[in-house]
Parts: sequence; structure tokens; C-alpha cells
Amino acid sequence: SQKIEQNSEALNIQEGKTATLTCNYTNYSPAYLQWYRQDPGRGPVFLLLIRENEKEKRKERLKVTFDTTLKQSLFHITASQPADSATYLCALSNQAGTALIFGKGTTLSVSS
Amino acid sequence: DAGVIQSPRHEVTEMGQEVTLRCKPISGHDYLFWYRQTMMRGLELLIYFNNNVPIDDSGMPEDRFSAKMPNASFSTLKIQPSEPRDSAVYFCASSPNRGGDTQYFGPGTRLTVL
Repeated sequence: SQKIEQNSEALNIQEGKTATLTCNYTNYSPAYLQWYRQDPGRGPVFLLLIRENEKEKRKERLKVTFDTTLKQSLFHITASQPADSATYLCALSNQAGTALIFGKGTTLSVSS
Repeated sequence: DAGVIQSPRHEVTEMGQEVTLRCKPISGHDYLFWYRQTMMRGLELLIYFNNNVPIDDSGMPEDRFSAKMPNASFSTLKIQPSEPRDSAVYFCASSPNRGGDTQYFGPGTRLTVL
């Protein structure tokens, strides 16, 4: 069955460092991979989308890589800030553009 | 735009009662999704609609769950009868024109079934 694993349930880093979150998947060939941020008591908020033919995408302090051979995406937050503390969700969808399958998320805590 | 609107934000009910959750998607969005989130299972897709038509309801856990979208601006998720294991946060999301596009989530309804 299709499976998405976000390797760390929790990640604690110091302010100013780079946070790296991992998303691995099996039994799936996604056309799109997305990252969302979720704060406590709120719905997920879209951050970045990367397509299967793209290796890397950047937006301000965020960078996403997508390796379809390794079946893995890495999500980086550079110069992390306490305000970056949240749960980050990885989500996949296939070529037909059907609904997203979400990972369980990684909770990032950035301490000052 | 006000974003995706869900009501109620919190619902506490007793086992066996009927529960109706409501969602207003972003105007102009063709896709609407219902998700359930729990600590154990994460965010699970229950059902989604395209232009008010249900496309995939394979995630609906049991016949006790039903969803409707009578028009482009309103959808309901109903649980009848409710059970304690239905306790979760239920999210509605909408998407502009393709299922794989960015989804915009509502604030969620936290359901507690006693």
C-alpha cells in the first residue's frame, strides 16, 4: 500500500541553524509533492509545490528537493527562527491530479 | 476572500447522536475535500468533490458517514450515529481547478463524542 514517512516526529534546533526535514514514500509515483505548515489548532497552510521533473525549488528561506529515484524529498529552512516552530506536513498527488496523501508530519521547535 | 469557512469550530456530543459538520469553500474553487486528523492516523482524506459531484469516497470509514455538496458554496459531512472513535478534528479544504493543486484548508471542527 502507499506509504509516506516523515522520518522525525520531532526536531529541535537552535535559532539561526538550518532545519532539514525528510519525507520518504513507497509504492507511489507522485507527479507533485507539496509541503504544508500546521500550527496548533489551525488547518495546514501551503508552503511549496515541486513537480516530478524538478529537482529543487526555493522560496525565501525555504528550499525543497525532490529525488524520484530515492523516493525522497528534503525540506530545508535556513536561518531558522522561533516563529518557524510548527508541524510540517509532506503531501503527494499523482499525475491524474487526484487528492493529496499526507504524511503524519514533523514537529519543529526552534529555540532562541 | 474569507477563506474556507467551517462550522461549528467545536462540537461535543453523546454517542449515538447525529452530527453535521458544515463547510463553505473559497468562491470559484472547483474541488472540495473532507479530511479527518488524529494523532494516531494523521490527516486522512475522507471524500472529495469536483464541481459538486463526489469523485472518491473510498476514505469514508463506514456507512455512518455521509457527505453532500448541494451547490458550489456549501458542503456537509454527517455522522449518524456517532461513536467515541469518531472523535477527531475534521478539516474541509478547497482547491482551484485540479486535485493536485494547492489546497486551502479551513480552521477545522474539533469533534468530541462522549
